[in-house]
Amino acid sequence: GAVVSQHPSRVICKSGTSVKIECRSLDFQATTMFWYRQFPKQSLMLMATSNEGSKATYEQGVEKDKFLINHASLTLSTLTVTSAHPEDSSFYICSARDAEGGAYEQYFGPGTRLTVT
Amino acid sequence: GQNIDQPTEMTATEGAIVQINCTYQTSGFNGLFWYQQHAGEAPTFLSYNVLDGLEEKGRFSSFLSRSKGYSYLLLKELQMKDSASYLCAELDSNYQLIWGAGTKLIIKP
Repeated sequence: GAVVSQHPSRVICKSGTSVKIECRSLDFQATTMFWYRQFPKQSLMLMATSNEGSKATYEQGVEKDKFLINHASLTLSTLTVTSAHPEDSSFYICSARDAEGGAYEQYFGPGTRLTVT
Repeated sequence: GQNIDQPTEMTATEGAIVQINCTYQTSGFNGLFWYQQHAGEAPTFLSYNVLDGLEEKGRFSSFLSRSKGYSYLLLKELQMKDSASYLCAELDSNYQLIWGAGTKLIIKP
């Protein structure tokens, strides 16, 4: 159980275009989903936290108008990188948590490697 | 804010035992997680400790001392596939994970 899928796994886009990344919890309802970014040889950096049906909470320094997050259902969250630039190239990872019953572990999707040319 | 400290890199020999330490600030503590992350892949859950003591799961064990703000991950009978980064993360008072920078473990034959 506790499987999280992420699509696409790899995407290359041109500077100025937008890219949408989907994160799905396949066998549980994710009350909360998290979006992380990870640059090579660095640790995870939390970008935002989203609860189903409400606006995402962004970490300091993360532009909410550039990284649009939608968590419309208990099994799907999307991250849209708008007007992407080469410095947005990174490994984007989502995770999901079902906090019912007091479990707080996060289950991660396989990640999306974004390259902006 | 919360600070999570763990060594940047460790090296061990195949078949041996290695202990990866993690210290955290104790205010608002709700548990301590360990994750494994292979290069280019997403992290996978290893363990969760909320009470003091040692929890064993096969070759991997995790220990917690809440009074000392200290945890360790113990890996026994090391295999080459254990080469990865090991991330320590504290569940804070808001039930959010505060991540350490990770310990890169290198296994040598």
